[in-house]
Amino acid sequence: EDKVVQSPLSLVVHEGDTVTLNCSYEVTNFRSLLWYKQEKKAPTFLFMLTSSGIEKKSGRLSSILDKKELFSILNITATQTGDSAIYLCAVTSGSRLTFGEGTQLTVNP
Amino acid sequence: GAVVSQHPSWVICKSGTSVKIECRSLDFQATTMFWYRQFPKQSLMLMATSNEGSKATYEQGVEKDKFLINHASLTLSTLTVTSAHPEDSSFYICSARAGGSSYEQYFGPGTRLTVT
Repeated sequence: EDKVVQSPLSLVVHEGDTVTLNCSYEVTNFRSLLWYKQEKKAPTFLFMLTSSGIEKKSGRLSSILDKKELFSILNITATQTGDSAIYLCAVTSGSRLTFGEGTQLTVNP
Repeated sequence: GAVVSQHPSWVICKSGTSVKIECRSLDFQATTMFWYRQFPKQSLMLMATSNEGSKATYEQGVEKDKFLINHASLTLSTLTVTSAHPEDSSFYICSARAGGSSYEQYFGPGTRLTVT
């Protein structure tokens, strides 16, 4: 059975802090790993990673994949209160997407 | 591009009635659509995968007779919750994949179902 595990499950930081969210996986027929941000409604896409060691960056967010060790990290630098959300990691295996439990990030002013 | 819509965005129904939720890909053809359910403070759980023109593939533990999925066209999939009960109250989210080499799924805004 495909498995995606995220840690920590919740995190509370102050504005300006840097956070690192972790995602490890065990899947058959791995195709890609995706990060999503979920606020009140459906998840919004952040990154898709398919190759090991290549960092993807968007503003203050960045992510990297290690296919040998089967994990990915999502970094958020200089956090802002608007970064408060659930961050979901998901892995594509074949045509299915398996989600982790998510990390609830709270950024306090 | 890559916009997915869902309708309705929220619905309240009485126990025993059926509710239909629509998922549309607005600017691309979705060869595969996925239906997820999310309970409060939990992650998305895949319910079923549907390919246009064929029967949906349901995940273990999801009753196919209760959650009817139809994917009649490349831009529309519907989920009908039949004989709804309060425990079916949840957030239902669809996603669509364009197919080919695209692995990315595009999510709809979700439908909040409350069964009273």
